[in-house]
Amino acid sequence: SQTIHQWPATLVQPVGSPLSLECTVEGTSNPNLYWYRQAAGRGLQLLFYSVGIGQISSEVPQNLSASRPQDRQFILSSKKLLLSDSGFYLCAWTRTGGFWGTEAFFGQGTRLTVV
Amino acid sequence: GNSVTQMEGPVTLSEEAFLTINCTYTATGYPSLFWYVQYPGEGLQLLLKATKADDKGSNKGFEATYRKETTSFHLEKGSVQVSDSAVYFCALRSATNKLIFGTGTLLAVQP
Repeated sequence: SQTIHQWPATLVQPVGSPLSLECTVEGTSNPNLYWYRQAAGRGLQLLFYSVGIGQISSEVPQNLSASRPQDRQFILSSKKLLLSDSGFYLCAWTRTGGFWGTEAFFGQGTRLTVV
Repeated sequence: GNSVTQMEGPVTLSEEAFLTINCTYTATGYPSLFWYVQYPGEGLQLLLKATKADDKGSNKGFEATYRKETTSFHLEKGSVQVSDSAVYFCALRSATNKLIFGTGTLLAVQP
């Protein structure tokens, strides 16, 4: 069976510090991978998505970047955090294969507080 | 570009009332449409989906019909229960695998 791991679960970082959030998927190959930020009252905002190694689509220009160094690994990074980067970050994956009707599976999320 | 617009909440209903949560979309091509639900303290999970025009997705008494002519995918349930209290998200996935969500609608069902 497939599983998705996202860590850490919570993180408190000072303004100006770097960030690295990691997401890995097990039990499948070549998944589509996604990073979202969920803010209270604002739903799920798509930040980045990737359909393959080294292929990253950025949806919102901001202080964050994403990388996919391995097939089932997706990393969200920042060189210098801002207060506005605080939020709940979710990683998700979907199957590939030419059909886009399959569901997304979500990690447990990371609560990031920038102080 | 692709987008999803859903009605703002919160929606407060009494038990056994009829529920409608509106969702409209903008997309090129023929996206797949989804409703996800997030129960208190839990992660997002798929509620139902439809992959082509006129398809009806259904699950746990909820239904939604893919209406291409009105670009809508409204969520309905004939009789809500307290246990249906959650945040509901409308979403679309395009042929390029971009998956976007609406802002979510909080449903509160009172006994």
